[in-house]
Amino acid sequence: DIQMTQSPSSLSASVGDRVTITCRASQGIRNYLAWYQQKPGKVPKLLIYSASTLQSGVPSRFSGSGSGTDFTLTISSLQPEDVATYYCHKYNGAPPGYIFGPGTKLEIK
Amino acid sequence: QVQLVQSGDEVKRPGASVTVSCKTSGYTFTDYYLHWVRQAPGQGLEWLGWMNPKTRATHYAHQFQGRVTMTKNTSISTAYLELTGLKPDDTAVFYCARVGAALLLEWPIDYWGQGTLVTVSS
Repeated sequence: DIQMTQSPSSLSASVGDRVTITCRASQGIRNYLAWYQQKPGKVPKLLIYSASTLQSGVPSRFSGSGSGTDFTLTISSLQPEDVATYYCHKYNGAPPGYIFGPGTKLEIK
Repeated sequence: QVQLVQSGDEVKRPGASVTVSCKTSGYTFTDYYLHWVRQAPGQGLEWLGWMNPKTRATHYAHQFQGRVTMTKNTSISTAYLELTGLKPDDTAVFYCARVGAALLLEWPIDYWGQGTLVTVSS
């Protein structure tokens, strides 16, 4: 079965910093990779799909890249409202299914 | 607008079953796959499975097979999740979630229900 990992599990950065979160699949998943942002007490929000396509309405400071097994989510200039947990999500049917990464908790320094 | 409205929070004893409903509106119910996802307190997102509302086809995550059933009532555009044999570590917020493109399974989720907290405690 394919496993999804994320690094780091948590990070603290300053407003204006460039932030990068990595997601790795244990086997290739082409570009069936999405990124979600979840703020405390809220439902997840789709940021990026097809590894690099920005969802409508999402600020352009968010970007995604990668294909196959290695993916990144980048925030070009961190804003206070970006404090959240970020999850990658594999959305193809290869076993074990439509699983999520373990999450990266992002805080402001 | 697309809405997924879930049933209210539940408290259950260990060994019991729970059914969570997800009433949809604002789109053609049978055209979009639905997933169920849960989140234990302070933990990450765990996928339970998907349902095709047009055909009733389902696929469940390995760890829930035998305990989970996903069904639907097309006449009221509502999906259901039943989880049996509840254990304390099943305590979680359960979400229904809709795929973003019609008739496609391999497409990301873009609409979520508000979540239903299921607490399992003796």
